[in-house]
Amino acid sequence: EAGVTQFPSHSVIEKGQTVTLRCDPISGHDNLYWYRRVMGKEIKFLLHFVKESKQDESGMPNNRFLAERTGGTYSTLKVQPAELEDSGVYFCASSQSGGGFNEQFFGPGTRLTVL
Amino acid sequence: RKEVEQDPGPFNVPEGATVAFNCTYSNSASQSFFWYRQDCRKEPKLLMSVYSSGNEDGRFTAQLNRASQYISLLIRDSKLSDSATYLCVVKMPGSARQLTFGSGTQLTVLP
Repeated sequence: EAGVTQFPSHSVIEKGQTVTLRCDPISGHDNLYWYRRVMGKEIKFLLHFVKESKQDESGMPNNRFLAERTGGTYSTLKVQPAELEDSGVYFCASSQSGGGFNEQFFGPGTRLTVL
Repeated sequence: RKEVEQDPGPFNVPEGATVAFNCTYSNSASQSFFWYRQDCRKEPKLLMSVYSSGNEDGRFTAQLNRASQYISLLIRDSKLSDSATYLCVVKMPGSARQLTFGSGTQLTVLP
């Protein structure tokens, strides 16, 4: 079974440009999460989708970040305009629904560099 | 104060050694606790959940002390393949499913 996939694996852009990251969760997983790790810091939560709905976007840093999950399948995270401090690794994770503990499976990440 | 604190290391140990990692968390109402493993430039992967009664999986033993808000991971008989960054992860109280990560402890097992 395919795991969580992310595209692109690397992106290098200039300050002020726009970048869109894509995440394809594990098939059948209703929950989709975005996290990021900026240089020297811990991995931090950005937001959580349940199907197509934003369940929790408390971690989104500012309104330059826009996440969507149309149709409740794949998700995109757009950064517009990108700033230097946005550089880091953006991870997507997915998990099943239901009560109890549902393991979050992480994708390989997109390494974003803003010059 | 960080929500989850870990000693960043690095820990450099010889093969066969026993090594222990510690982690503290700030929110006493935290619900669930985990150790994730992250290899260099790879994604985090769940190593094991941590229960109050303690749990063991082969060479790995995890312990939780709720009174002290302290989590530990013990690795016995270290292998070269254990070299990685070990992330202490906490799920905060409430309905939110988000995970809160420590900054990780880097382990290198030397031949």
